[in-house]
Amino acid sequence: DQQVKQNSPSLSVQEGRISILNCDYTNSMFDYFLWYKKYPAEGPTFLISISSIKDKNEDGRFTVFLNKSAKHLSLHIVPSQPGDSAVYFCAASGRNNAGNMLTFGGGTRLMVKP
Amino acid sequence: KAGVTQTPRYLIKTRGQQVTLSCSPISGHRSVSWYQQTPGQGLQFLFEYFSETQRNKGNFPGRFSGRQFSNSRSEMNVSTLELGDSALYLCASSRDSLTYEQYFGPGTRLTVT
Repeated sequence: DQQVKQNSPSLSVQEGRISILNCDYTNSMFDYFLWYKKYPAEGPTFLISISSIKDKNEDGRFTVFLNKSAKHLSLHIVPSQPGDSAVYFCAASGRNNAGNMLTFGGGTRLMVKP
Repeated sequence: KAGVTQTPRYLIKTRGQQVTLSCSPISGHRSVSWYQQTPGQGLQFLFEYFSETQRNKGNFPGRFSGRQFSNSRSEMNVSTLELGDSALYLCASSRDSLTYEQYFGPGTRLTVT
C-alpha cells in the first residue's frame, strides 16, 4: 500500500508563474514532511520541510503547506524558473519509526517552459 | 563542507554474484540510510545505521545487508544478485538520530545482467 502518493506524474508551467505540486498521505503517524528535488543522474536534493505542528513553512521561492485534516501537503514555487525543471518527491517520517526512515511518494516531473 | 560520497558510481554485475557499495557521510553526520530507486517501485527505504547499529530496516530480503564503521562510513552488500536488483542505490546522511532532514549522495547505478 502506498502511504505517500503524488497523483500527478507531471506538471508543465510557464516561467514566472506559480508551480503547485501536491502530495497525499494515509498514515496518521507521520509527523514530519519533506520535499526533495532530483535531477537525472544525481541524488535527491533537500528543499524544504515542515513539522505537523505547523501548517506553513517558507524558504525563499518555496512554500510548503500542510493540511493535517485532509492528510495533504503541497509545495508552491513562485516564481517558477527553468532551472526548477526536475522531479520533485515528497517524503514523510513519523515518531513511530525507530530511525530516520523516509517514505517517499512516486514523484512529479516539473517542466518550466521559458 | 563536502557532501555525501558514494563509490563506485556505476557497477555491472552478473546474476548470482555479490556486490558491496560504499558511502561516506557528510562530516559530522552520524546517521546513514540507504534507499533503492527503481522505475517500478520508486524510492524505497533499505536500512538506517546510527552509531554502528542498524536501527530500522525496510521490507527487503536478507540478501541485502549493511554495516557502519566507527567513522560513520557505511557499506551495503547484496548477495546472490538477481536481475531485479538493478537499481540506483542511494545513501543519505543526517546529523543524528533525531534529525529528519537527510542529505543524499549521487548514488551507485547497479546493473545486473
